[in-house]
Amino acid sequence: DAGVIQSPRHEVTEMGQEVTLRCKPISGHDYLFWYRQTMMRGLELLIYFNNNVPIDDSGMPEDRFSAKMPNASFSTLKIQPSEPRDSAVYFCASSFYQGPYEQYFGPGTRLTVT
Amino acid sequence: RKEVEQDPGPFNVPEGATVAFNCTYSNSASQSFFWYRQDCRKEPKLLMSVYSSGNEDGRFTAQLNRASQYISLLIRDSKLSDSATYLCVVNPMLNFNKFYFGSGTKLNVKP
Repeated sequence: DAGVIQSPRHEVTEMGQEVTLRCKPISGHDYLFWYRQTMMRGLELLIYFNNNVPIDDSGMPEDRFSAKMPNASFSTLKIQPSEPRDSAVYFCASSFYQGPYEQYFGPGTRLTVT
Repeated sequence: RKEVEQDPGPFNVPEGATVAFNCTYSNSASQSFFWYRQDCRKEPKLLMSVYSSGNEDGRFTAQLNRASQYISLLIRDSKLSDSATYLCVVNPMLNFNKFYFGSGTKLNVKP
């Protein structure tokens, strides 16, 4: 079975540009999570969805960040405009409500904003 | 105060050594606990769940101490391939699907 799929794997962009990260969760999973990982702050939860509905976006740093999940098999995280401090690895993860609650992570998108 | 705290290490140990990591959590109502492993430049992957009675998986043993609010991971007979960062994860009872990750403990196993 395919795991969580993320694209692109690497993204280099200039400050001020729009960045869109994509995620396809594991089929049948009803929770989807977006995380950001940096050396300084570790792994931070940005937002998560249940059955395509955003449940908790308290980790989204500011209005420049937005996330959508138009259907059960696709989600996007958008940063507009991007800033150098957004440079990080962004992970998408999915899980199944019925347990055992393990979250399966995608390979991540390494974002560099210059 | 952070939800989950870990010693960042690194722990540098020789092959064959036994090494233990601890992690403390702040929410006394937390019910689910896990250890994840993250290799360099890779995604986190579940290593093992932590049960109230403690559990063992081969060379790995996880323990939970609710009174002191910490969980531990013991690795016996360390292998070079155990070199990684180990993330402590806590799942508060009120929300079974929202994990809090520790910042990780780095382990280097040397030949």
